[in-house]
Amino acid sequence: SAVISQKPSRDICQRGTSLTIQCQVDSQVTMMFWYRQQPGQSLTLIATANQGSEATYESGFVIDKFPISRPNLTFSTLTVSNMSPEDSSIYLCSANSVGQGFYGYTFGSGTRLTVV
Amino acid sequence: KQEVTQIPAALSVPEGENLVLNCSFTDSAIYNLQWFRQDPGKGLTSLLLIQSSQREQTSGRLNASLDKSSGRSTLYIAASQPGDSATYLCAVKTAGNTPLVFGKGTRLSVIA
Repeated sequence: SAVISQKPSRDICQRGTSLTIQCQVDSQVTMMFWYRQQPGQSLTLIATANQGSEATYESGFVIDKFPISRPNLTFSTLTVSNMSPEDSSIYLCSANSVGQGFYGYTFGSGTRLTVV
Repeated sequence: KQEVTQIPAALSVPEGENLVLNCSFTDSAIYNLQWFRQDPGKGLTSLLLIQSSQREQTSGRLNASLDKSSGRSTLYIAASQPGDSATYLCAVKTAGNTPLVFGKGTRLSVIA
């Protein structure tokens, strides 16, 4: 299955600033997904990142707040803009992984963001 | 809209006990179901993947079953160990390249 490298693993940021999270996949994948996991909660999908087109955002998430780039089939970034303490969460990227009979999803190791 | 529910929300057991975690989903038209493990503050590790045509999958002390018609899956952990302590998440994929829909997880504590 694909391996996803995500960075940074954690950061503490000042309110009003922005943070860009990167995910690198070791193989080409069609779609990548960005999730947010607020403290004590499960994963909520932010958006689907397609190569060569605009990302598709879920209800409650907007491009101005969470701009996404997908320059090629192995890389994506998520920016958390104009941060507030409510943005403190774990952010995870994911991709569908096909190979050796495995057709599931793999995840990056997550970015633990604290906004102060 | 697909909804995934996991019961119980939290579970504490003594070491060595066998245990079952439950997952249910509202729309039985799924492509596959995946069980993940998440350690505190970390990412997700895939444990087992069951295709819609399969009934169960096994990996070591873990066994996951799927009853698509009733919208249920169970994760069975045999001879639990303190290292099994984590949150276990169930997620379903409805079709193609659609994203996973997650349950809220079961937080497991295995006491030595």
